[in-house]
Amino acid sequence: GENVEQHPSTLSVQEGDSAVIKCTYSDSASNYFPWYKQELGKRPQLIIDIRSNVGEKKDQRIAVTLNKTAKHFSLHITETQPEDSAVYFCAATPSKNYGNNRLAFGKGNQVVVIP
Amino acid sequence: KAGVTQTPRYLIKTRGQQVTLSCSPISGHRSVSWYQQTPGQGLQFLFEYFSETQRNKGNFPGRFSGRQFSNSRSEMNVSTLELGDSALYLCASSLAGGANNEQFFGPGTRLTVL
Repeated sequence: GENVEQHPSTLSVQEGDSAVIKCTYSDSASNYFPWYKQELGKRPQLIIDIRSNVGEKKDQRIAVTLNKTAKHFSLHITETQPEDSAVYFCAATPSKNYGNNRLAFGKGNQVVVIP
Repeated sequence: KAGVTQTPRYLIKTRGQQVTLSCSPISGHRSVSWYQQTPGQGLQFLFEYFSETQRNKGNFPGRFSGRQFSNSRSEMNVSTLELGDSALYLCASSLAGGANNEQFFGPGTRLTVL
């Protein structure tokens, strides 16, 4: 099945700097890649997603890039703020699951923004 | 619109018991997926229901089951509980029946098995 890996597992950045989290996936036919943010004790929240027919998507300080050839996608957070501190999960939809909403998640990255 | 709700929020059971968790999706959403979240394994897919039918199932034993009602509310059941079943159980709802729809998570049910 689809295998999604995230690197690095923990990332510390100074407030105002940029943070980049990279995920790799194994199924070359995966076509949907969402990112979720989970604060301590709270539910995962969808922050941005990208489909395989697009190479980049931006939403204010957040952007996601997709490299289908290399089978990786990355989350970029610019001008980080303390409220960006959380665990970020990437996910992919395995190709054999076209027609439903099954997601394969990475293990998560802890992002710590240092004031 | 109200978000996804799950009940109960916390549950403590002993080994061998069974448990039923409930999920109410966002109004109008017809797809409900269930995930198990643990520190070691992360988020793992359990199953998805759409129009009262299970569309996909993850790699969990048969002790894990679920169902969906005509109002799209879903329940999952775990029988013969084991210590390793202690986890946060999350459900997520999606609007439509197609693939790759945005999924919105509920707050989860924290299950502790003693």
